[in-house]
Amino acid sequence: KQEVTQIPAALSVPEGENLVLNCSFTDSAIYNLQWFRQDPGKGLTSLLLIQSSQREQTSGRLNASLDKSSGRSTLYIAASQPGDSATYLCAVRTGANNLFFGTGTRLTVIP
Amino acid sequence: DTGVSQNPRHKITKRGQNVTFRCDPISEHNRLYWYRQTLGQGPEFLTYFQNEAQLEKSRLLSDRFSAERPKGSFSTLEIQRTEQGDSAMYLCATLRDGNTIYFGEGSWLTVV
Repeated sequence: KQEVTQIPAALSVPEGENLVLNCSFTDSAIYNLQWFRQDPGKGLTSLLLIQSSQREQTSGRLNASLDKSSGRSTLYIAASQPGDSATYLCAVRTGANNLFFGTGTRLTVIP
Repeated sequence: DTGVSQNPRHKITKRGQNVTFRCDPISEHNRLYWYRQTLGQGPEFLTYFQNEAQLEKSRLLSDRFSAERPKGSFSTLEIQRTEQGDSAMYLCATLRDGNTIYFGEGSWLTVV
């Protein structure tokens, strides 16, 4: 069974700092990987999706990379802002049907 | 706006009661998923539909849980004889463009 791990579980940084969130998965036979943001008590907002054949995707201040062979992905956030404070979840899709999620990294950006 | 609406957003119920959650996606979203999320955890897969057909169910979906998607549009998730362990957020999601999965705002269930 696919297992997804996210490190660190929580991260606190001062505003303006660049940061990296990590995601690892045990089975490299993935269809794609998706990064989500979740605000407290809310649903998940899709940030970036990387297909298994891709190495990275960028959207604004966010950059996600994928190394399928080593089972790793990173989410890089540039010039962090207090509005970036949320929980960030990565999820791998192993086929047509299912997403396997990590437990998330809770990010706090301090003004 | 993810194009996925869920109702009710919050539900408090007594143990043993039945509850039903509804998910309304934009009509062209053929694949629909239900997930459950507890505090501090990532969402866990429950079931998914391709149009009106329920194609996969997780072992998490005990016989007290039933999901339907009549006519391949909205979907309902019913929990019978609720237990305190059912307290969680129930998330509906749809697949768009064949690749990206979009979630609704979720329905919080508290069983007292």
